[in-house]
Amino acid sequence: GDSVTQMEGPVTLSEEAFLTINCTYTATGYPSLFWYVQYPGEGLQLLLKATKADDKGSNKGFEATYRKETTSFHLEKGSVQVSDSAVYFCALSDGAGTALIFGKGTTLSVSS
Amino acid sequence: GAVVSQHPSWVICKSGTSVKIECRSLDFQATTMFWYRQFPKQSLMLMATSNEGSKATYEQGVEKDKFLINHASLTLSTLTVTSAHPEDSSFYICSGPEGKNTEAFFGQGTRLTVV
Repeated sequence: GDSVTQMEGPVTLSEEAFLTINCTYTATGYPSLFWYVQYPGEGLQLLLKATKADDKGSNKGFEATYRKETTSFHLEKGSVQVSDSAVYFCALSDGAGTALIFGKGTTLSVSS
Repeated sequence: GAVVSQHPSWVICKSGTSVKIECRSLDFQATTMFWYRQFPKQSLMLMATSNEGSKATYEQGVEKDKFLINHASLTLSTLTVTSAHPEDSSFYICSGPEGKNTEAFFGQGTRLTVV
């Protein structure tokens, strides 16, 4: 079945450092890809998404490009802030109305 | 994006009692809602799919009689943890897809602690 693999954390960075969180997927079709963020004690918020190959999702300085050839959707940010400290989940959807399949999550900790 | 409201945000209950968690779609109609469980420092595991007007579909290994799901209307799905035990302590999150969008919109989550 479909699956999502993302890099193990925790990732610890200093403020203004460059961030990359790797995510690869396995799917039989052409899934939509997402990054969700979870702040401590809260639910999940959609950070960005891409619905087809070569699409780039972006939001709040974060970016991820849907790479079909490498089945990847790596999350990047050029300059992280302390407020970016959270758990980041990569996920895929096989279509509208279907449950998301999540990676295990990567904890990001940014210090000033 | 669409709004999903989940209540309560946290609850502490005694072993053997039941707890009901509500999940409401505030600005869209949801014929389907998903219930996830999240263990500490782990990912979200799909427990069941809630279908309006019909029985829920449970994932393998999830006890139907322990985790009762009711989807009585297009805006409300409930999860009842029956005869709760300490091992049921977890973070439960509901989500609803909206129309033709592929992304899901999540409730705030419920932290259940069984003592």
